[in-house]
Amino acid sequence: EIVLTQSPATLSLSPGERATLSCRASQSVSSYLAWYQQKPGQAPRLLVYDASNRATGIPARFSGSGSGTDFTLTISSLEPEDFAVYYCQQRTDWPLTFGGGTKVEI
Amino acid sequence: EVQLLESGGGLVQPGGSLRLSCAASGFTFTNYGMNWVRQAPGKGLEWVSSISSGGDGTRYADSVQGRFTISRDNSKSTLYLQMNSLRAEDTAVFYCATSPNTGGWFFQHWGQGTLVTVSS
Repeated sequence: EIVLTQSPATLSLSPGERATLSCRASQSVSSYLAWYQQKPGQAPRLLVYDASNRATGIPARFSGSGSGTDFTLTISSLEPEDFAVYYCQQRTDWPLTFGGGTKVEI
Repeated sequence: EVQLLESGGGLVQPGGSLRLSCAASGFTFTNYGMNWVRQAPGKGLEWVSSISSGGDGTRYADSVQGRFTISRDNSKSTLYLQMNSLRAEDTAVFYCATSPNTGGWFFQHWGQGTLVTVSS
């Protein structure tokens, strides 16, 4: 099973600041990594797939990068609605696995 | 607009059974693989099961293998999850989610979830 480790667990920032979230895989997942955002009481929302492709309707301030085992989700300038939990997920191999999440808080 | 509406959750005793449904609309159901993902209270996301667009390929997490069965009825645009031998640790919100046929197994659209509580 491919284990995804996200860091930090919590990121405390202010609106307008840059957020950098990390996801590290226990073995190479090529570029087959996705990022999701989840707000309290809501379903997750796809942000980025295949490491760097923004999903439909996702603002340009969200960007993904990386390949192999190290990946980054960057939010260039935090908006109030961006404070949430973010998960990464790999689709290289079964079982599909998620990281433990990073909470971005004020 | 893509809509996924889960139903069938509720309170069930350990060892019991439950069948979840996910009614899909607003897109061509047969163009998508489908998935179940769950989230225990206060915890992260856990993939449960996936089924191919035609229904001929299925995958399960080890934690549910042999107890849960995923299926779909393409004529009704509906996804199912039959859950047997339920355990307390199966307590979670269960989400259905789409995966594009040609794009791989990430989760593109999500339903709002249905809560399953396993308790005596």
